[in-house]
Amino acid sequence: QKEVEQNSGPLSVPEGAIASLNCTYSDRGSQSFFWYRQYSGKSPELIMSIYSNGDKEDGRFTAQLNKASQYVSLLIRDSQPSDSATYLCAVNNNDMRFGAGTRLTVKP
Amino acid sequence: GAVVSQHPSRVICKSGTSVKIECRSLDFQATTMFWYRQFPKQSLMLMATSNEGSKATYEQGVEKDKFLINHASLTLSTLTVTSAHPEDSSFYICSAPHGLITGELFFGEGSRLTVL
Repeated sequence: QKEVEQNSGPLSVPEGAIASLNCTYSDRGSQSFFWYRQYSGKSPELIMSIYSNGDKEDGRFTAQLNKASQYVSLLIRDSQPSDSATYLCAVNNNDMRFGAGTRLTVKP
Repeated sequence: GAVVSQHPSRVICKSGTSVKIECRSLDFQATTMFWYRQFPKQSLMLMATSNEGSKATYEQGVEKDKFLINHASLTLSTLTVTSAHPEDSSFYICSAPHGLITGELFFGEGSRLTVL
């Protein structure tokens, strides 16, 4: 079982729609959870971090964490073509482990 | 602005040569830096953890004699790919923890290595 699992996609949504990205992790002791966005040929950039169960909102982004289910998600509201990228879920428990990423395409 | 700077962004070399990649933390000290490798359409794979003033910790399967890591100061870590071969061609990215939030990593711009 992979430590951090994501649906590789591609996920395609129309402009203005909500994009939902999901991630599960295997280490129940993990404490810190992150979503990174990576454009093609570029390095990842941090967009959200979450540490406690529930929702955390930042602009158009909402991260959701459920430690009991070992599940973390990212919602992108009012999706824009510029949101088209690969989204990496990362889980930190002494060191950072990344999922394979979900490729999102927002169509105009 | 960027908090971690990586250089060079692109490098092409001949098989058998060595290539050095630098990773610098800007305006903050990083006692630990992480080196990742990413093949096309694959996830980031942690290669090693660079520790200032001590030996790097390598992940299982990563050859420490091939990927030399030196963390000479609190703001600089280097990765040297020795005797590079075409299969070493990849995107190499460094990162450093920064800020008050536990576990938050900032990444360098990445270095794309092509070995001919």
